[in-house]
Amino acid sequence: GAVVSQHPSWVICKSGTSVKIECRSLDFQATTMFWYRQFPKQSLMLMATSNEGSKATYEQGVEKDKFLINHASLTLSTLTVTSAHPEDSSFYICSASGNRDYGYTFGSGTRLTVV
Amino acid sequence: GQNIDQPTEMTATEGAIVQINCTYQTSGFNGLFWYQQHAGEAPTFLSYNVLDGLEEKGRFSSFLSRSKGYSYLLLKELQMKDSASYLCAVMDSNYQLIWGAGTKLIIKP
Repeated sequence: GAVVSQHPSWVICKSGTSVKIECRSLDFQATTMFWYRQFPKQSLMLMATSNEGSKATYEQGVEKDKFLINHASLTLSTLTVTSAHPEDSSFYICSASGNRDYGYTFGSGTRLTVV
Repeated sequence: GQNIDQPTEMTATEGAIVQINCTYQTSGFNGLFWYQQHAGEAPTFLSYNVLDGLEEKGRFSSFLSRSKGYSYLLLKELQMKDSASYLCAVMDSNYQLIWGAGTKLIIKP
């Protein structure tokens, strides 16, 4: 089956620093990857859609200069949270579609804590 | 607008059966998905329905009625490990997933 690897699983960083999260499709090519954010006890919120070789499409209210997305290859997308602040602390999850009949395969998520 | 509705929380007893409903209104329809999400973890795929009817997979079954914009996830022989949130999601005409807020299922012994 489709496997998506996401690293790191958790990270603690100081306010003002940047954090990079990687999402890799291990056994399929993902032309499109999605980045979500989930706050405690809330549903997934789509942040942006990442297409290989082109600029990401951001959802309304998501700052593209703060959440930098790079999708340089068919198997790797990265999300960089720049100048992180405590309010950016959240659970970040990527997903990729390799086969529409099985929806989207999710990475294991990254819990970001900004102190 | 697009909308997915499911109950916020449900409680059931170990060994029993529970049905989690989901109603949707979307621009187009390319299938409905159910995912399970344990606290602090990413969602995992449970089922996919694109045609009307019941799909059975072990203790879990999923039903779809496209004319009614309705689906349910049926969990049988509940186990404590089934305590989780269950997310309903619909793929619209643009192949984008529209997510429900999830149903938190609490299993009591």
